[in-house]
Amino acid sequence: QVQLQESGPGLVKPSQTLSLTCTVSGAFITSGGYYWSWIRQHPGKGLEWIGYIYYSGTTYYNPSLQSRVSISVDTSKSQFSLNLRSVTAADTAVYFCARYYGGIPFDLWGRGTLVTVSS
Amino acid sequence: QSALTQPPSASGSPGQSVTISCTGTSSDVGAFEYVSWYQQHPGKAPQLLIFEVSKRPSGVPDRFSGSKSGNTASLTVSGLQAEDEADYYCCAYAGSNRWLFGGGTTVTVL
Repeated sequence: QVQLQESGPGLVKPSQTLSLTCTVSGAFITSGGYYWSWIRQHPGKGLEWIGYIYYSGTTYYNPSLQSRVSISVDTSKSQFSLNLRSVTAADTAVYFCARYYGGIPFDLWGRGTLVTVSS
Repeated sequence: QSALTQPPSASGSPGQSVTISCTGTSSDVGAFEYVSWYQQHPGKAPQLLIFEVSKRPSGVPDRFSGSKSGNTASLTVSGLQAEDEADYYCCAYAGSNRWLFGGGTTVTVL
């Protein structure tokens, strides 16, 4: 059974970098055709696609976040990570990692982790 | 690029049907057959209900159906049940490996 699990600090100070990791279990992160994604949900609001990465390292980002975001992959640990720089209170959200596979977007999600930006 | 437009709420009695719309543009919903729908219960992660406009993953009841006309996609929940009370989100491919979500619709079973 494939599972995704987010981990990282629940509190980040303004202007600092938000860093989260998603661990993939039950499947090979290097399996062809899978894009490993980050999606966030502001409190009481809708979903926002942040970006995704292929195991080769190819990345695609939401243009509205592209200047501050980077996603990386560590195939040896079966993990992929999110870095969001220069955060403000507007980045407070539940962050989900999710899987995308060839025409079937986001068919598997982690449970999500709340990140609060506050001093 | 703006989020897709969904009505904030919808409701129906048990056994009835409810339809949720998702309006985009000719650059996203209208351009590709890549519209998906998700159900989210409070405090839980979203769950895929529909992909490629009208296809259901295995395990999703056939009470859930999707369609698209022009720049508007729709999700219909037939035979409403108490457990269908949740938030529903649409998602569409916007080209160049970009994805848009709708603002979400809260479905209430009366």
